[in-house]
Amino acid sequence: DAGVTQSPTHLIKTRGQQVTLRCSPKSGHDTVSWYQQALGQGPQFIFQYYEEEERQRGNFPDRFSGHQFPNYSSELNVNALLLGDSALYLCASSLDLYGYTFGSGTRLTVV
Amino acid sequence: GESVGLHLPTLSVQEGDNSIINCAYSNSASDYFIWYKQESGKGPQFIIDIRSNMDKRQGQRVTVLLNKTVKHLSLQIAATQPGDSAVYFCAENINYGGSQGNLIFGKGTKLSVKP
Repeated sequence: DAGVTQSPTHLIKTRGQQVTLRCSPKSGHDTVSWYQQALGQGPQFIFQYYEEEERQRGNFPDRFSGHQFPNYSSELNVNALLLGDSALYLCASSLDLYGYTFGSGTRLTVV
Repeated sequence: GESVGLHLPTLSVQEGDNSIINCAYSNSASDYFIWYKQESGKGPQFIIDIRSNMDKRQGQRVTVLLNKTVKHLSLQIAATQPGDSAVYFCAENINYGGSQGNLIFGKGTKLSVKP
């Protein structure tokens, strides 16, 4: 049984560009949450998707947007990339509120 | 892989000793707490959780203690092994009103086990 799968694993983008990160949840999970983890810090909540709707959002600007598909997979989009967006982006899936399982993340470097 | 443990508090223990990692959480409304282990280049891995109606919960070689009075959480690892070396995060889940399901992570503690 595959866990949470994220792609790509690494990505280098130029400042001002746009990026899309992808997440496939663990089998049986219906909720996807996205987190940003800067080097040496704990993960910070970006937003959570449930039933294809954004259920809750953390303190991130509108440049960060997402989507959840009918098969529960999800995308995170970041527009107008800044150097400060360089981080490990983690996807976590769960069955509603509990049983969070994290993927290995996408390492985004903005140059 | 890249280190996630830069500039974090570090706990160094001898193999076979017990480890205690502490965490202060922020919100008295938090009702669910999780300890995660994160190895370099990987995502956080679930270790153990506890709900706010409990004070203690035990797993295999790990115990979590919750003190709601002082908003303190601890993770005890028995007979620490080199494979336990990682960064450990506590996370709280605030489940009230419109705030459901986002985890708030602590700063993390880097555990280093000396063989």
